[in-house]
Amino acid sequence: GDSVTQMEGPVTLSEEAFLTINCTYTATGYPSLFWYVQYPGEGLQLLLKATKADDKGSNKGFEATYRKETTSFHLEKGSVQVSDSAVYFCALTATDKLIFGTGTRLQVFP
Amino acid sequence: EPEVTQTPSHQVTQMGQEVILRCVPISNHLYFYWYRQILGQKVEFLVSFYNNEISEKSEIFDDQFSVERPDGSNFTLKIRSTKLEDSAMYFCASSGAVVNTEAFFGQGTRLTVV
Repeated sequence: GDSVTQMEGPVTLSEEAFLTINCTYTATGYPSLFWYVQYPGEGLQLLLKATKADDKGSNKGFEATYRKETTSFHLEKGSVQVSDSAVYFCALTATDKLIFGTGTRLQVFP
Repeated sequence: EPEVTQTPSHQVTQMGQEVILRCVPISNHLYFYWYRQILGQKVEFLVSFYNNEISEKSEIFDDQFSVERPDGSNFTLKIRSTKLEDSAMYFCASSGAVVNTEAFFGQGTRLTVV
């Protein structure tokens, strides 16, 4: 079945460092891909999305490109802030449900 | 900005009791979902609901679970006889279309079964 694999955390960075969180997927159809973020004590918020191959989703300085050839959707940010500390979930949907990865906790220190 | 709202934010219940978790989806959305997240683990799909019926459910969604849209605005998840392992954060979500579109999530209800 469809699945999402994320790099394990926690990822610990200093402020202004470059961030990459790896995400790969397995899907039989042509899924849309998403990154959701969960700040401490809060629910899930959509961070960005891409609906077809080579699309780049971006929001709040975060970017991810839908790579069909490598079945990947890695999340990147050029300069992280302390306020980016959260759990990041990669997800896909090809039908009527989201399939999530296990989440990657990001901790950014000043 | 429209949002999905869930009540209560936290519910503590005794094992074997029934609980009802409530959600108000975004008003013009047609597809509704429940997910759960056991502490520290991945977010898992429970059930999707469209046109007043379940469109898909996971193997987690067994006979002790049920969903209902009792009126034009609420969407509820009932757990008939709670078990300790039902302790989790339960998220309601809604979307305007079914395929390849984003779902908007509520803040979640933390259910603690004691």
